[in-house]
Amino acid sequence: GQNIDQPTEMTATEGAIVQINCTYQTSGFNGLFWYQQHAGEAPTFLSYNVLDGLEEKGRFSSFLSRSKGYSYLLLKELQMKDSASYLCAVRVDNQGGKLIFGQGTELSVKP
Amino acid sequence: KAGVTQTPRYLIKTRGQQVTLSCSPISGHRSVSWYQQTPGQGLQFLFEYFSETQRNKGNFPGRFSGRQFSNSRSEMNVSTLELGDSALYLCASRGDLPGELFFGEGSRLTVL
Repeated sequence: GQNIDQPTEMTATEGAIVQINCTYQTSGFNGLFWYQQHAGEAPTFLSYNVLDGLEEKGRFSSFLSRSKGYSYLLLKELQMKDSASYLCAVRVDNQGGKLIFGQGTELSVKP
Repeated sequence: KAGVTQTPRYLIKTRGQQVTLSCSPISGHRSVSWYQQTPGQGLQFLFEYFSETQRNKGNFPGRFSGRQFSNSRSEMNVSTLELGDSALYLCASRGDLPGELFFGEGSRLTVL
């Protein structure tokens, strides 16, 4: 079966750092992706990890450990506009773009 | 470049009816995927089309079907609608990275 777990909700303060964790157990692995989805909007691509380690992209970083089935998304210098749902997704096959998504973590950034 | 376009944006149907949703991918993108999003189940993969061929299929009943045309536009059809089919249906076209999906705004289906 396919299982991707992430916390349902998190709250953080503007200007702070927050880490959103994701653990996965899937039948295959060909990359881990993070998407951001604001309420009422479509998900947008944030980051991609296929090898172990940290990928940095501006205020956002994503980490992957394949042996542990674990990833996290790190958001620095939080802004109010970062309030959104963050979706962890695993690509399970190597032929196409099929992704298995977690339920998403609803992040609220408070002033 | 125009983004992924989905029509209609909102629709209301009754149980037993059928519905067809349309998706135009980003120009030049040949892969189109469909996802269903509900509060309880999150984003679930329906199917993926590439060059008019279904490449992947999720665990949905046969009432859910799709197709892709030669211009890469895609349609999905749901027949014999059930209340549980009420959801946001998202279409995505694939960028250069295998899992980099560009989503449309979605078609929100309500089944009464």
